[in-house]
Amino acid sequence: DQQVKQNSPSLSVQEGRISILNCDYTNSMFDYFLWYKKYPAEGPTFLISISSIKDKNEDGRFTVFLNKSAKHLSLHIVPSQPGDSAVYFCAASARDSNYQLIWGAGTKLIIKP
Amino acid sequence: NAGVMQNPRHLVRRRGQEARLRCSPMKGHSHVYWYRQLPEEGLKFMVYLQKENIIDESGMPKERFSAEFPKEGPSILRIQQVVRGDSAAYFCASSFVLAGVTGELFFGEGSRLTVL
Repeated sequence: DQQVKQNSPSLSVQEGRISILNCDYTNSMFDYFLWYKKYPAEGPTFLISISSIKDKNEDGRFTVFLNKSAKHLSLHIVPSQPGDSAVYFCAASARDSNYQLIWGAGTKLIIKP
Repeated sequence: NAGVMQNPRHLVRRRGQEARLRCSPMKGHSHVYWYRQLPEEGLKFMVYLQKENIIDESGMPKERFSAEFPKEGPSILRIQQVVRGDSAAYFCASSFVLAGVTGELFFGEGSRLTVL
């Protein structure tokens, strides 16, 4: 029972172009969404988050969009840089689940020179 | 280093042995979370602890696995009588407040358990 799904195991993008990572969820009670970035042999690091009362949150080159009706969120990285090559995890939480984070399986982003 | 510290980074055990993984949270953090990542899978929540209390262990297997976060010292994830299926990366994370409220968990570099 996957409540948070990242359907693309990997994504390859040219340096300088836009990277779009997608995440779908099934639980309409989720009220907080997060993206984490993970390099090999390291723990994940927090990247950006969005509350369900918003539909967009921007931080530098990173923007997260939330479409509640479609139960879909996406992370846009523009322009993509070589250092962005990593695995990106989408996670969600709900107040009625004591804010336990539910994680997607991750998308491996490869930035090509 | 003020980050989340996990040790050992790599642990090899034979089937039937015990594995102990340690986690020291960031200074000032009283919330500790353990996650397991199996190959080609995402992070799976195992247990959430505060000092001396297990708050949520809904992701922990009912047998062989236990966790503690004593008043003094690191949090310990203990796996008894390990089996090959326990081979995974175990990540510890800590937060100052309940994680989902602010969103930010600080992760350690993980402990990679290999069961022969």
